Amino acid sequence: QKEVEQNSGPLSVPEGAIASLNCTYSDRGSQSFFWYRQYSGKSPELIMFIYSNGDKEDGRFTAQLNKASQYVSLLIRDSQPSDSATYLCAVNRVSGGYNKLIFGAGTRLAVHP
Amino acid sequence: KAGVTQTPRYLIKTRGQQVTLSCSPISGHRSVSWYQQTPGQGLQFLFEYFSETQRNKGNFPGRFSGRQFSNSRSEMNVSTLELGDSALYLCASSGTSQAGELFFGEGSRLTVL
Repeated sequence: QKEVEQNSGPLSVPEGAIASLNCTYSDRGSQSFFWYRQYSGKSPELIMFIYSNGDKEDGRFTAQLNKASQYVSLLIRDSQPSDSATYLCAVNRVSGGYNKLIFGAGTRLAVHP
Repeated sequence: KAGVTQTPRYLIKTRGQQVTLSCSPISGHRSVSWYQQTPGQGLQFLFEYFSETQRNKGNFPGRFSGRQFSNSRSEMNVSTLELGDSALYLCASSGTSQAGELFFGEGSRLTVL
């Protein structure tokens, strides 16, 4: 079992719809969770992070965390073609007293006009 | 403020050779992490350096090594290259105590023939 699992997609949604991206993780001790966006041919960039159970909203993006179910999700409202990218879920793991970020393989999102 | 700079951007090597990749973090950032990205495995953690010390290491063979200099610049080296080492190598720097807020460079794309 991978530490961080995501559906590879592609997830195809029409412009203006809500895109829902999901992620599960295996380490119950994980405390912080991140979503990165990676455009084709570019490097990943951080778009959101969440530490507590529940929802966290930032503009059109909402991150949701359920530690009991070991589940993290990212909702993108009013999806735009410019949101088409691969979304990487990342989980912080403490190893040897220090943090390291473990990434999922990513979900490719395609927003069509 | 300049971003994370990685050199070279592209390189081609043959099996058995070795390669050294360089990363200059954002000014003031003391933590540098290295990741390998391949289509099949996604982003895999290689190692993390802070103030010239390796704090964390991923599950890669000893052929993969790194170091960090006093100016926070980092290098990674891969010896005895194998075909499977073909990948995008990403360097990320962090300036905060909160793990997960990584700023990635554009990467070095290595092709092993």
